[in-house]
Amino acid sequence: DSGVTQTPKHLITATGQRVTLRCSPRSGDLSVYWYQQSLDQGLQFLIQYYNGEERAKGNILERFSAQQFPDLHSELNLSSLELGDSALYFCASSPNTQLGPQHFGDGTRLSIL
Amino acid sequence: SQQGEEDPQALSIQEGENATMNCSYKTSINNLQWYRQNSGRGLVHLILIRSNEREKHSGRLRVTLDTSKKSSSLLITASRAADTASYFCATDAGGNNRLAFGKGNQVVVIP
Repeated sequence: DSGVTQTPKHLITATGQRVTLRCSPRSGDLSVYWYQQSLDQGLQFLIQYYNGEERAKGNILERFSAQQFPDLHSELNLSSLELGDSALYFCASSPNTQLGPQHFGDGTRLSIL
Repeated sequence: SQQGEEDPQALSIQEGENATMNCSYKTSINNLQWYRQNSGRGLVHLILIRSNEREKHSGRLRVTLDTSKKSSSLLITASRAADTASYFCATDAGGNNRLAFGKGNQVVVIP
């Protein structure tokens, strides 16, 4: 058990809709990272938050946004969903901003119909 | 772009055999990490090797790093069926404040 909790585990929705994915980091970790994993693109870094502030941005679409709350949990909001957004979305956490080991949750599988 | 590229992409071996997979990267790094992903689960950190280290061991895992060739290898000795998973290398991508993961290397250990 990594200590990182992601909800929901599965999400099925339609094109054009908006969803929110939630992540609770491992106790004591201040950094939260979001990744998208798909068969054709592999594991893509989306965004990182550290102690409530955006720290690094990757290949995140403008339709996607994230935030980290004072209790350090994070949410990833995906809007105007397209078929191509179907993927596994992972959250990971680490103690600080140094790029050491990251602890991953089991992901949210998003299916767009 | 993908920083790490694993090779081979897929490997099938008998239980008890050793499994070796390689990872190449393009830019300078501070460290390189290997992760395991079981089907439908999140990635699990296995081992981290720093740029000034050449070899590191953890249980049945042995990682080497050759910064002159920009490559790393992961050796799993005496493989078990439970080692069946995808293995990813990740680098700190030369200061971009992110880990860059390779596409993964699927290993199947046949009992």
